[in-house]
Amino acid sequence: GAVVSQHPSRVICKSGTSVKIECRSLDFQATTMFWYRQFPKQSLMLMATSNEGSKATYEQGVEKDKFLINHASLTLSTLTVTSAHPEDSSFYICSASVQGAPGANVLTFGAGSRLTVL
Amino acid sequence: SQQGEEDPQALSIQEGENATMNCSYKTSINNLQWYRQNSGRGLVHLILIRSNEREKHSGRLRVTLDTSKKSSSLLITASRAADTASYFCATDREGSYIPTFGRGTSLIVHP
Repeated sequence: GAVVSQHPSRVICKSGTSVKIECRSLDFQATTMFWYRQFPKQSLMLMATSNEGSKATYEQGVEKDKFLINHASLTLSTLTVTSAHPEDSSFYICSASVQGAPGANVLTFGAGSRLTVL
Repeated sequence: SQQGEEDPQALSIQEGENATMNCSYKTSINNLQWYRQNSGRGLVHLILIRSNEREKHSGRLRVTLDTSKKSSSLLITASRAADTASYFCATDREGSYIPTFGRGTSLIVHP
């Protein structure tokens, strides 16, 4: 089945630094990837939709200059948290839409990245 | 923005019992999906039910959809300790195919 690899799984950084999270589709091409953020015991909040070869579409309230998304190839999307602050600490999860479900986005998720900003 | 709401927020049962989780949503949908998340991991897709379907089965899972009540239920029969996880419903509004998730139901199955 479709596999999405996400790394790093955990990262701890100092306030003010930037952190890059990678999301790769291993055995399929992902035209569209979705980046979510999840707080403890909370829902997944959609941050942005990443489309290969074009600019990401950000959800309302998500700072595009803060959370840089690049989808340069059909198998790789990256999320860079720039100038990270403690309030950016969270669990970030990427997902890719799997083909084979017409009229629906069935998502395959990465394992998530736990970001802790000190 | 959040579309679906799962109920209950937490469910604790014994192995062998059935577990029922509900999801309510607000606007018309194309599809409704159920996902499972083990603690600290990504989500795994369980089942998709389309707006013109009323019931679907997959192994020990049974999903129902009532579009008139804007609600869905996920039934796990003969639960096992390995079913312990959080379960989320995800809906996509008409005109958009982007799944939005509820807060989830945390299920604990005691051996």
